[in-house]
Amino acid sequence: AQTVTQSQPEMSVQEAETVTLSCTYDTSESDYYLFWYKQPPSRQMILVIRQEAYKQQNATENRFSVNFQKAAKSFSLKISDSQLGDAAMYFCAYPPQGGSEKLVFGKGTKLTVNP
Amino acid sequence: NAGVTQTPKFQVLKTGQSMTLQCAQDMNHNSMYWYRQDPGMGLRLIYYSASEGTTDKGEVPNGYNVSRLNKREFSLRLESAAPSQTSVYFCASSWAGRTEAFFGQGTRLTVV
Repeated sequence: AQTVTQSQPEMSVQEAETVTLSCTYDTSESDYYLFWYKQPPSRQMILVIRQEAYKQQNATENRFSVNFQKAAKSFSLKISDSQLGDAAMYFCAYPPQGGSEKLVFGKGTKLTVNP
Repeated sequence: NAGVTQTPKFQVLKTGQSMTLQCAQDMNHNSMYWYRQDPGMGLRLIYYSASEGTTDKGEVPNGYNVSRLNKREFSLRLESAAPSQTSVYFCASSWAGRTEAFFGQGTRLTVV
């Protein structure tokens, strides 16, 4: 079965500090995409960042960056200079192999940002 | 540009009642999806449609039916609602599988 594992159900960080959320996945493919989504209390699912597996360089979007370790099948999200508005559920997702037309999501990490 | 629009946003049903959740996207996406979100479970795929005229089961299809009415619209029907179907439902769309999905705002459904 295709799986995405987020091993931290909850994390907390002090405002302005850095936090890293972990994600591991299972695939035998060599070319694929990986995604991090943010879900604030409003419930809206917002794409935070994407990584293309064939690219060596880790993706970066402003204060958000990934640490992509392809061999280890690890895709962690680093949030720098954390802000109160970063408090949310964060989900890791990827499309599993076999040409299937769907994203598989991890169970999520709830991030609390303390002032 | 509205993106993905779901209706309704909230709904309360009695056990055994039926209802249809509506979803429409205006991004000309080929693929559309229905997920349910339960506490501690992440998002689980109910059904998806890779293109107009095709649908396929996801991880948790029991108790649901879908219709891909046209390229824009993908509806989810509960024929006989059960308390176990109390959840938040999300519709999403994408250019194709394996690319990022864009989500509607979700429907909070309570079955009593």
